[in-house]
Amino acid sequence: TQLLEQSPQFLSIQEGENLTVYCNSSSVFSSLQWYRQEPGEGPVLLVTVVTGGEVKKLKRLTFQFGDARKDSSLHITAAQPGDTGLYLCAGAQGAQKLVFGQGTRLTINP
Amino acid sequence: NAGVTQTPKFQVLKTGQSMTLQCAQDMNHEYMSWYRQDPGMGLRLIHYSVGAGITDQGEVPNGYNVSRSTTEDFPLRLLSAAPSQTSVYFCASSYRATANTEAFFGQGTRLTVV
Repeated sequence: TQLLEQSPQFLSIQEGENLTVYCNSSSVFSSLQWYRQEPGEGPVLLVTVVTGGEVKKLKRLTFQFGDARKDSSLHITAAQPGDTGLYLCAGAQGAQKLVFGQGTRLTINP
Repeated sequence: NAGVTQTPKFQVLKTGQSMTLQCAQDMNHEYMSWYRQDPGMGLRLIHYSVGAGITDQGEVPNGYNVSRSTTEDFPLRLLSAAPSQTSVYFCASSYRATANTEAFFGQGTRLTVV
């Protein structure tokens, strides 16, 4: 059983559409991170959210941390082919362990 | 600045063989960790280290050993390879020894055990 459940696991949409990816858990996390991974590469950090209810924007990407610090979402506006990749959420479990969700594989079709 | 360097990039082992996956970082980071990535499973923590001489187990440590004799290096040893260890392995490092800081990942080692 995954500590962090991401949904959907796969998403294929047309360029210009909006989408939301969810990261849910029954556990409380001190922080949540979102990473993006391209084929043949390691994950790269997009954002860290720390405070319950926090919203961070990174150009067309909006990240939200749930009030209870158990869930997070990533919303992409007007998706572009360059957004294609594997999106991973990761939660800090205790001070020293980072646990990952299973990932959402996103494909944006031109 | 090379960041996190993993070698080799690809490796095929026979069941029962042993090998060491190398990981080196040049950012003077305290925290280093090893993950394995399998389809539909995300990344699972194998072992981690909060500084030279200190290591601890993660979620899936069985069949793997680590050591941290220097700040820069964190090798992962497979003692007796099994087909279940076929995976992509990632090494990561962070500036501080907490999971809240940004993790920098290597490019991964794709390991196949036959």
